[in-house]
Amino acid sequence: GNSVTQMEGPVTLSEEAFLTINCTYTATGYPSLFWYVQYPGEGLQLLLKATKADDKGSNKGFEATYRKETTSFHLEKGSVQVSDSAVYFCALGPSSGAQKLVFGQGTRLTINP
Amino acid sequence: GAGVSQTPSNKVTEKGKYVELRCDPISGHTALYWYRQSLGQGPEFLIYFQGTGAADDSGLPNDRFFAVRPEGSVSTLKIQRTERGDSAVYLCASSSTSGSYTDTQYFGPGTRLTVL
Repeated sequence: GNSVTQMEGPVTLSEEAFLTINCTYTATGYPSLFWYVQYPGEGLQLLLKATKADDKGSNKGFEATYRKETTSFHLEKGSVQVSDSAVYFCALGPSSGAQKLVFGQGTRLTINP
Repeated sequence: GAGVSQTPSNKVTEKGKYVELRCDPISGHTALYWYRQSLGQGPEFLIYFQGTGAADDSGLPNDRFFAVRPEGSVSTLKIQRTERGDSAVYLCASSSTSGSYTDTQYFGPGTRLTVL
């Protein structure tokens, strides 16, 4: 079945460091891929998405490229801020049937000033 | 505009009791989803509604769990004979169209259920 494997955390970086959170998936067909973020005390929010191969999703300085050949959707940011501290979830939306998202286990990111 | 809302935000109950969790989706959204998030894990799908009908309930763990959406808007997740293993955050999400794979799901803040 469909699955998402996400880089284990927690991840701790200094402000202005480069960030990569790895995400790989297993799926049939051509799924959509998402990154959701959960800030402390808040609900899940969509950060970015890509709906077909080679698409790049971007938002708030974060980027992720849908790589079908490596079945990956790694999240990157060039210069992180303290306000980026949160839990990040990679998710997959199947290309057919009900849109039940399949989530990775989440990566907790802490940015120190 | 208003987002997805869920009530209560916290629910503490005793083992064996019955609970109801409510979700108000974004106005006009036809697709509604329930997920369950255990501590330290990503959300797991429970059930999906398109309008009033449950289009996919394959994620419900057993027959103690049931959900309804009688008028195609508000949904209630019902759990009978609660067990300690049911303790989790229950998330509701809605999306605007027919459940296409490109739709964005918007999540509510969740209900934290604790079964003592």
